[in-house]
Amino acid sequence: NAGVTQTPKFRVLKTGQSMTLLCAQDMNHEYMYWYRQDPGMGLRLIHYSVGEGTTAKGEVPDGYNVSRLKKQNFLLGLESAAPSQTSVYFCASSYNAHKVSRWNTEAFFGQGTRLTVV
Amino acid sequence: SQQGEEDPQALSIQEGENATMNCSYKTSINNLQWYRQNSGRGLVHLILIRSNEREKHSGRLRVTLDTSKKSSSLLITASRAADTASYFCATDAVGGANSKLTFGKGITLSVRP
Repeated sequence: NAGVTQTPKFRVLKTGQSMTLLCAQDMNHEYMYWYRQDPGMGLRLIHYSVGEGTTAKGEVPDGYNVSRLKKQNFLLGLESAAPSQTSVYFCASSYNAHKVSRWNTEAFFGQGTRLTVV
Repeated sequence: SQQGEEDPQALSIQEGENATMNCSYKTSINNLQWYRQNSGRGLVHLILIRSNEREKHSGRLRVTLDTSKKSSSLLITASRAADTASYFCATDAVGGANSKLTFGKGITLSVRP
């Protein structure tokens, strides 16, 4: 029962470098989310997906891209990393259409990725 | 802007006391959820209350929802040192078929032994 798995757990990037964060869930969830957490700011939604092949912008999408080619995976890409993207990134998933009502959608979180851009 | 706003930002209580945390939100919701985050870890779901519910209990947790005031409260009774964590409210807002779970900034709870 892995739940939501994020890789990598830690990463240091130089300004201008690119990287992809991977999120995988094994609960057959329809919805997946990427958040960033910064001190004093709580969790802010970057992008989300309501199903395979679909993505949508959240609160702070600039500088990030996402893809949901497979239902179980949600990738977050940074094309040209900036120091302002130093943060802890959390992936979450929710809503198994076969198990619960759409109106009882608790989210399950990964353990986070600590990214530092220098 | 973030949907939920928690109050207070920080709370320090003695073990055994009750802790009350509040959340206000801006738009109509399908449900409101409370999460806990221990230091350095991911968020863990605590309790969900639907928009047509007014109160819900789960163990030592009691959550209320007032949709007319767009506010919710989380009560932790008989607190323990292990309850020390950050607590977040999250709203699943009404808005078509898409679900966009948005969080507040969180409340830091410290329970002194």
